[in-house]
Amino acid sequence: DTAVSQTPKYLVTQMGNDKSIKCEQNLGHDTMYWYKQDSKKFLKIMFSYNNKELIINETVPNRFSPKSPDKAHLNLHINSLELGDSAVYFCASSQSLGPGQGYYGYTFGSGTRLTVV
Amino acid sequence: LAKTTQPISMDSYEGQEVNITCSHNNIATNDYITWYQQFPSQGPRFIIQGYKTKVTNEVASLFIPADRKSSTLSLPRVSLSDTAVYYCLVGPPMIYNQGGKLIFGQGTELSVKP
Repeated sequence: DTAVSQTPKYLVTQMGNDKSIKCEQNLGHDTMYWYKQDSKKFLKIMFSYNNKELIINETVPNRFSPKSPDKAHLNLHINSLELGDSAVYFCASSQSLGPGQGYYGYTFGSGTRLTVV
Repeated sequence: LAKTTQPISMDSYEGQEVNITCSHNNIATNDYITWYQQFPSQGPRFIIQGYKTKVTNEVASLFIPADRKSSTLSLPRVSLSDTAVYYCLVGPPMIYNQGGKLIFGQGTELSVKP
């Protein structure tokens, strides 16, 4: 199926650990994103990559490091996990129309629920 | 980007029409209104977008008055499967959105009961 898929779906880990979340899209899109949704349902963008290049980097602690090995994959590595990192992390993708021309086809994955204990 | 205000929650029963209103008093001339739907344990999904008057698709209708300071998402004859959070976004249409960033508000949690 064409989709944005994330692994794992659930992740429970202890404070101080390092963990990674993987995302893959087979929609042929050239732009991928990480969003964080907190317990109050607020969804906020963290990062955006276009053709493996970082284009959006919101105010996120540098413990969070995205990596895009190719335009179909965007992984999120989190070092020294803290209780406040507990949230649902969504990967998304879209297709750009060219430099400064906008995006379309926005598609979200099903999310990774991260619980830090 | 324009700030949006929506009810935090709404309840409905199966078969009823549900109207969710979003206020966006400082909407800019080139802003569009877009609604996303998020089912439990899933990512948001685009459902409808409009600029003025009325837009209808197979999922919903979007009513936008002439002053564009508010909009109403209308879901005809809801079923249990329409239980979700509905987000109203106001800003440049995706086609012009620099950086591809979506800005979500709190959303409206719709609960459909049998």
